[in-house]
Amino acid sequence: AQSVTQLDSQVPVFEEAPVELRCNYSSSVSVYLFWYVQYPNQGLQLLLKYLSGSTLVKGINGFEAEFNKSQTSFHLRKPSVHISDTAEYFCAVSGGMKTSYDKVIFGPGTSLSVIP
Amino acid sequence: EAGVTQSPTHLIKTRGQQVTLRCSPISGHTSVYWYQQALGLGLQFLLWYDEGEERNRGNFPPRFSGRQFPNYSSELNVNALELEDSALYLCASSRWTGNPFHEQYFGPGTRLTVT
Repeated sequence: AQSVTQLDSQVPVFEEAPVELRCNYSSSVSVYLFWYVQYPNQGLQLLLKYLSGSTLVKGINGFEAEFNKSQTSFHLRKPSVHISDTAEYFCAVSGGMKTSYDKVIFGPGTSLSVIP
Repeated sequence: EAGVTQSPTHLIKTRGQQVTLRCSPISGHTSVYWYQQALGLGLQFLLWYDEGEERNRGNFPPRFSGRQFPNYSSELNVNALELEDSALYLCASSRWTGNPFHEQYFGPGTRLTVT
């Protein structure tokens, strides 16, 4: 069975500082990996996704993530955060093989608070 | 292009009642997904509909059901409401790209409160 762990439930960071939000997953099959952002009182928005190919994935709003198969990680990074990045961030995994499509599994979320 | 829309925005129900939530996908999207986001429990997959058929279901009791209409809009029905059903219900839509969970676009959600 697949699972997703987000190691930090809350991450405070000062404006213009770098940030890394950690995500680890477990799966016995190949996977697709996603990061979503949820701003207050809104639905989720896709930040970036890893399907195959290059392990470094670039997304919107200056975010990027690196897929590390050996460490089963997909950490999200941004070199310089803005106040507007304050939001909830969700890592998600789904089966990467048509025969093993499973329900998409979301992590519990990490609340990023950017301090002025 | 209009995004995913959901109605109503908020509603309050009493335990034991029934509720229907509605979702309209982005034009051209054939798949609709429902999620429950309860406080402290994260985002839980409920249902996936594509081309009018239920394709997959999360670990929820049968009192959670739904359907997808020919225009690809969808309804989520919850019978015999319980207090723990209080949550934000999110709908998402996507095109079929091989993996049904690619490129999901989410609506703003319906906040359900059960008293």
